[in-house]
Amino acid sequence: VQLVESGGGLVQPGKSLKLSCSASGFTFSSYGMHWIRQTPGKGLDWVAYISSSSGTVYADAVKGRFTISRDNAKNTLYLQLNSLKSEDTAIYYCARSGNCDYWGQGVMVTVSS
Amino acid sequence: DVVLTQTPPTLSATIGQSVSISCRSSQSLLDSDGDTYLNWLLQRPGQSPQLLIYSVSNLESGVPNRFSGSGSETDFTLKISGVEAEDLGVYYCMQATHAPLTFGTGTKLELK
Repeated sequence: VQLVESGGGLVQPGKSLKLSCSASGFTFSSYGMHWIRQTPGKGLDWVAYISSSSGTVYADAVKGRFTISRDNAKNTLYLQLNSLKSEDTAIYYCARSGNCDYWGQGVMVTVSS
Repeated sequence: DVVLTQTPPTLSATIGQSVSISCRSSQSLLDSDGDTYLNWLLQRPGQSPQLLIYSVSNLESGVPNRFSGSGSETDFTLKISGVEAEDLGVYYCMQATHAPLTFGTGTKLELK
């Protein structure tokens, strides 16, 4: 099992960014997937979840601004980040299933002017 | 949201010492399906978290059996029977019984 995030970077407040998580080593379409973030030096915060049937759930802090999606043909999970705020600065991880049994290496998103 | 409080926040141990970490939940984590979705994760320095134990006491594949988990309802414990150097890092409990998924405050295990 391997999860590889990409798409992070430095972005100005109010702008957008799209993160990707490329999955391999398992049947991607059969698993729900999470996005979880970690503020540098601090703890872990759940961001969003998409089920195997593409039902979605969001944390209140990102609802209406972030969109989680998946492309099973490409074995890829996405997170569209809009209207970014400084408090969205974090390392973003994708993780597999309800147990979060596998995690990617993370991608850094920095929101700053 | 469910609040998970871990103690102690920092733990100093010598190699070979046995240690325990507590995780207390603000509400019962017993699900209506009879399972308790309380997991333990380890984040080594510079790495992403990895799953150690799921559903209170089940060892994830490949995790050494010096790790064990116990507890029920709102009180849970992770025990390491004989700390090894590779065990250093931050331990998190995590619950998936109640939406949204939440994580504990973390316990940093360091060498004394």
